[in-house]
Amino acid sequence: NAGVTQTPKFRILKIGQSMTLQCTQDMNHNYMYWYRQDPGMGLKLIYYSVGAGITDKGEVPNGYNVSRSTTEDFPLRLELAAPSQTSVYFCASSEGQGASQPQHFGDGTRLSIL
Amino acid sequence: QQQVKQSPQSLIVQKGGISIINCAYENTAFDYFPWYQQFPGKGPALLIAIRPDVSEKKEGRFTISFNKSAKQFSLHIMDSQPGDSATYFCAASMAHKIIFGKGTRLHILP
Repeated sequence: NAGVTQTPKFRILKIGQSMTLQCTQDMNHNYMYWYRQDPGMGLKLIYYSVGAGITDKGEVPNGYNVSRSTTEDFPLRLELAAPSQTSVYFCASSEGQGASQPQHFGDGTRLSIL
Repeated sequence: QQQVKQSPQSLIVQKGGISIINCAYENTAFDYFPWYQQFPGKGPALLIAIRPDVSEKKEGRFTISFNKSAKQFSLHIMDSQPGDSATYFCAASMAHKIIFGKGTRLHILP
């Protein structure tokens, strides 16, 4: 089992460029999440999905978009990259509904906007 | 209302000592309190978790103490080892949302 796989691991973008961060999981989890982690700030939820075709905003959704066409994949898109989006991005998944379901995280994508 | 306050930001403990990290929350609707451990270059991984109807949970060297009336909970790491050096996040959750604390960077001196 690969768990949650994120690609790429590192990326440098210029201001105004766009890109898609890929996330796929092989655990057949319904719930998937995107977080950003900034130094000393913990993890902030960007978007989440409770199943294929269903997505919803988290705490910091501005500047990002997501889609969930399959159970396995949950890509995150940056349309117009800004320096404030320099961060480490983590994708996570969990089984079923309920707070007690642990979230399984990928190893992150380190993104720099210059 | 949605914040989880975590302290200290960083902690240095001698090998064999006890590491203690504290968290406080405000929203009484939270019903699950996990702790995540993160090593450099890796994503967070669930370490241990507790529900508010339990005052303490122990798994090996890791113990969560929970004080519902004070809306506080803490992680104790007994006999701390260099391999425990990592960043620890407390969290509070309800439904499918989790609010994370800002993290504590723990360093265990050999």
